[in-house]
Amino acid sequence: GQNIDQPTEMTATEGAIVQINCTYQTSGFNGLFWYQQHAGEAPTFLSYNVLDGLEEKGRFSSFLSRSKGYSYLLLKELQMKDSASYLCAAPTGGGNKLTFGTGTQLKVEL
Amino acid sequence: NAGVTQTPKFRILKIGQSMTLQCTQDMNHNYMYWYRQDPGMGLKLIYYSVGAGITDKGEVPNGYNVSRSTTEDFPLRLELAAPSQTSVYFCASSLKGQNTEAFFGQGTRLTVV
Repeated sequence: GQNIDQPTEMTATEGAIVQINCTYQTSGFNGLFWYQQHAGEAPTFLSYNVLDGLEEKGRFSSFLSRSKGYSYLLLKELQMKDSASYLCAAPTGGGNKLTFGTGTQLKVEL
Repeated sequence: NAGVTQTPKFRILKIGQSMTLQCTQDMNHNYMYWYRQDPGMGLKLIYYSVGAGITDKGEVPNGYNVSRSTTEDFPLRLELAAPSQTSVYFCASSLKGQNTEAFFGQGTRLTVV
């Protein structure tokens, strides 16, 4: 089976750093995705990790530990436009299905 | 490339009516997915397809049907609409599935009254 858990919501200050955690339990592992979804819009791809470690992409970085079933998304130098829902997702069902967590609603305040 | 295109963007249905949500992609992707998203929730997989002629159920398939007669198109059919099907529906596609990003359509906001 599969289970993906994320905090429901977080609040952070503009210019700060925030870490959004995701824990997963999947039968078989085929990588882990992070997507961003602004209110009323479609999700858009942020990152994909299949090996342990940190992948950095500008202000956003994503970390994976396969042994711990754990990932996080790190957002630096927060901007107001980063207020959005951040969705953790894992391919399941032999890699054919993309299963999402419930998402973490991030609110960036002044 | 237009990417993933969904129609309609909005629709109001009466209980018991039926409709088809259209989804087409022009990226020659093999994998296609239908999700529903209820307010404040994540995406729940309804059906998916790994290629033309092949479809399979996701987490919440009851009340829906799909077909995949071509690589480009993956319509979602609602028969006998119920209020519980009020949701935002997203279609997505990806090239290979497990290690390639999924591209999403802009969504269809459906209300059943």
